Formats: sequence, structure tokens, C-alpha cells
Amino acid sequence: SQTIHQWPATLVQPVGSPLSLECTVEGTSNPNLYWYRQAAGRGLQLLFYSVGIGQISSEVPQNLSASRPQDRQFILSSKKLLLSDSGFYLCAWRPRTGTNEKLFFGSGTQLSVL
Amino acid sequence: GNSVTQMEGPVTLSEEAFLTINCTYTATGYPSLFWYVQYPGEGLQLLLKATKADDKGSNKGFEATYRKETTSFHLEKGSVQVSDSAVYFCALSPRGGATNKLIFGTGTLLAVQP
Repeated sequence: SQTIHQWPATLVQPVGSPLSLECTVEGTSNPNLYWYRQAAGRGLQLLFYSVGIGQISSEVPQNLSASRPQDRQFILSSKKLLLSDSGFYLCAWRPRTGTNEKLFFGSGTQLSVL
Repeated sequence: GNSVTQMEGPVTLSEEAFLTINCTYTATGYPSLFWYVQYPGEGLQLLLKATKADDKGSNKGFEATYRKETTSFHLEKGSVQVSDSAVYFCALSPRGGATNKLIFGTGTLLAVQP
């Protein structure tokens, strides 16, 4: 069966420090991968999505970047965190093919930038 | 463009009360519609979905009907339990395309008291 792993679960970082959040998917190949952010009172916002290795699309201009060095690995990064980067970050995947549009989510990372 | 509007929370109910969480959408064409649930400290899970007009999605006693004429997908449950306390997200997936992005509403916090 397919599983998605996201870590760390919680992270407290000072302003200006770098960030790296990692997400891996097991049990499937060629998934579409997504990073969402849930900011307080603002719901879920799609940040990045990827349809293949090295292929990243950004949905909103921001201080973050994403990379997909391997088929089932999706990394969210920042060189210098801002206070506004605080939030709950969710990685998700879905099969590349087929008509099933369901997204499978990781358990999330709560990021606090102080 | 595509967007989802949900009723603001929090919604506070007593156990066994009737629940309605309103959701309306704006989309080009005929999107698929979803309700996701986020229990405290966890990621999102698909609760139910509907892929065409007049479809009714149902799961765990929750129901929602895809109403094209009112562009709505309201979530209902006849008798809520304390264990239903969570944040509920309405979402849509635009028809077509390879990315199958989900566009979420802001979420509605449901608190059920014993």
C-alpha cells in the first residue's frame, strides 16, 4: 500500500535561518506531488506542485522554493525564513494517471518562525 | 477563476445536533467537489466527494450533494458526535489538466460538546 511520510512534525526556527522540509512517498511511482500551507485563519493554500523529477510549478510568489530530486521525494526549502512563513505545511500526492482525483496528505509540519 | 467559499466558524453544537456547513464554489466547467476533514494535530483526510451534478457523496454519516444550479456542496450530518470535532474543508478540482490541483476553502472548525 502507498504511504506518505513528512518530517519533522514540528519545527521552531529563528527569522533568517534556512529551512528544509522533506516529504517522501512509498508504494507508488510517478506521483504528482504538492506542498500546501495552512496559515492561521487563512485555510489551505497550494504553494508548489510537481508532475515529475526536476519539474516544479509555483502557485504563488513567496520566500520558499521546492525541489524534486527523486521521483518520490519532494523538498520544501528556504534560504532565510520570514515571520510570515509560520504555518502548517502539508505534503500531498496523487497518482499521475487514472481518474481518481483524491489527494493523499501527510501528517503535516507545524513551523513556527520566531 | 476557481474558488471555494465556506461558512466561517467556529460552529459549536451539542452532541446529536444536526450539522450543516455551507460551501459554494466558482469554477469554469464542471469541477469535482470534495470535503476533507482535519482532526486535531493531523493532516487532511478525504471525507467524501462528488464528481458530477446531482451526485451525493456520503461517508461516516456525513452527506453532501453536488448542486450545479446553486453551485453548492453543503455538508450535512443528522446527529453529530464529540468525535466529529475537527476542521472541515470544502475543495474543488477543476476538470481536465494533468496537475489535478485541489483548491480549498478556508476551513470550518466544528466543536461538538457532550
